[in-house]
Amino acid sequence: DVKVTQSSRYLVKRTGEKVFLECVQDMDHENMFWYRQDPGLGLRLIYFSYDVKMKEKGDIPEGYSVSREKKERFSLILESASTNQTSMYLCASSLSFFGQSVLTNYGYTFGSGTRLTVV
Amino acid sequence: SQQGEEDPQALSIQEGENATMNCSYKTSINNLQWYRQNSGRGLVHLILIRSNEREKHSGRLRVTLDTSKKSSSLLITASRAADTASYFCATVYTGGFKTIFGAGTRLFVKA
Repeated sequence: DVKVTQSSRYLVKRTGEKVFLECVQDMDHENMFWYRQDPGLGLRLIYFSYDVKMKEKGDIPEGYSVSREKKERFSLILESASTNQTSMYLCASSLSFFGQSVLTNYGYTFGSGTRLTVV
Repeated sequence: SQQGEEDPQALSIQEGENATMNCSYKTSINNLQWYRQNSGRGLVHLILIRSNEREKHSGRLRVTLDTSKKSSSLLITASRAADTASYFCATVYTGGFKTIFGAGTRLFVKA
């Protein structure tokens, strides 16, 4: 069964700590994504990567960075955790294809999520 | 915002009834996808419909797409208690790559 695995289901960190969220996929997907999900705000894209060592900012990258040293692993880093980063973090991966002459995707496979609380 | 919008925000039905959720979006799309999320878990991809398709089926799921109205609907037939979840539409806009998620419809199926 294909999988996206997030290293922690629940995490509690202190304000100012550096936090690492890890995500690993076993499907050989080119694309990987980090979202955060908050009540009333839906899913918001933080960063994504379409290849090893490549990264692109999403809609809310401030306060975050990412690392993709290997194709299967995409890490989200909170440089100095703050209480407003308390959220559910979702990692996803996808394959790309050219549909109607543009690069698009088949759909995402998500991990189970990491619920991060910053105190 | 490019976000798709689901309607209704919440839906409560009896087991065995059909559930219909709608999604509207703003600009032309390459494809539209529906996802399910059980409480506190990740999203699960249900079905993808391309912009040149009008209807698609998968088991008890039926998705329609009307590009002239910029809308899609997800029908779940003969619903079960296990269908209780949030359902999201997600759009990939023409010329774009990122997938934009709506805020979701919360479905509650009473046994």
